[in-house]
Amino acid sequence: DAGVIQSPRHEVTEMGQEVTLRCKPISGHDYLFWYRQTMMRGLELLIYFNNNVPIDDSGMPEDRFSAKMPNASFSTLKIQPSEPRDSAVYFCASGTSPQETQYFGPGTRLLVL
Amino acid sequence: QKEVEQDPGPLSVPEGAIVSLNCTYSNSAFQYFMWYRQYSRKGPELLMYTYSSGNKEDGRFTAQVDKSSKYISLFIRDSQPSDSATYLCAMKGNTPLVFGKGTRLSVIA
Repeated sequence: DAGVIQSPRHEVTEMGQEVTLRCKPISGHDYLFWYRQTMMRGLELLIYFNNNVPIDDSGMPEDRFSAKMPNASFSTLKIQPSEPRDSAVYFCASGTSPQETQYFGPGTRLLVL
Repeated sequence: QKEVEQDPGPLSVPEGAIVSLNCTYSNSAFQYFMWYRQYSRKGPELLMYTYSSGNKEDGRFTAQVDKSSKYISLFIRDSQPSDSATYLCAMKGNTPLVFGKGTRLSVIA
């Protein structure tokens, strides 16, 4: 298995632009997690899905952030409009339950100018 | 008080040293305790996983959980330059994982 796949790996955009991050979880995993990592705040859970259904989105910082999972093999995290304080590394992870191991993707480094 | 506290370091040790990494937590409902290792510009990867209190050993790595003190530790014996990474503790009860901020470790050859 290729592991969790994220794209793009790097994104540089200007404030106000829409940003879409993509994730393909490991086949057979029915939990998908989106995290954000910064030096100041560490690794923060934004939202997680079970069987494509959002279970907990309490970590989503603002309405500018939205996430979807249209099928078992694809999820997106969208920021619209983006702001400089959104600059961070965004990780997608998948697993077979919230109690079990989560497998992380390589992350998307986002820089909003 | 934050749910999980972890000293960010950085921690620099000579090759061969014993390394001790620690986290404290406040939520007594946490039952599962994990250590993730994150190399620079990579995603975290699971290193050790323990349930409830006690010790678990895997090669040069030993994880300890003391639930009475709400304190967990990761020990690395005979540390190697390849162990240089950020180590994140993580824990959970009935909710998804809560991560510490990570401790950056450098093992100098």
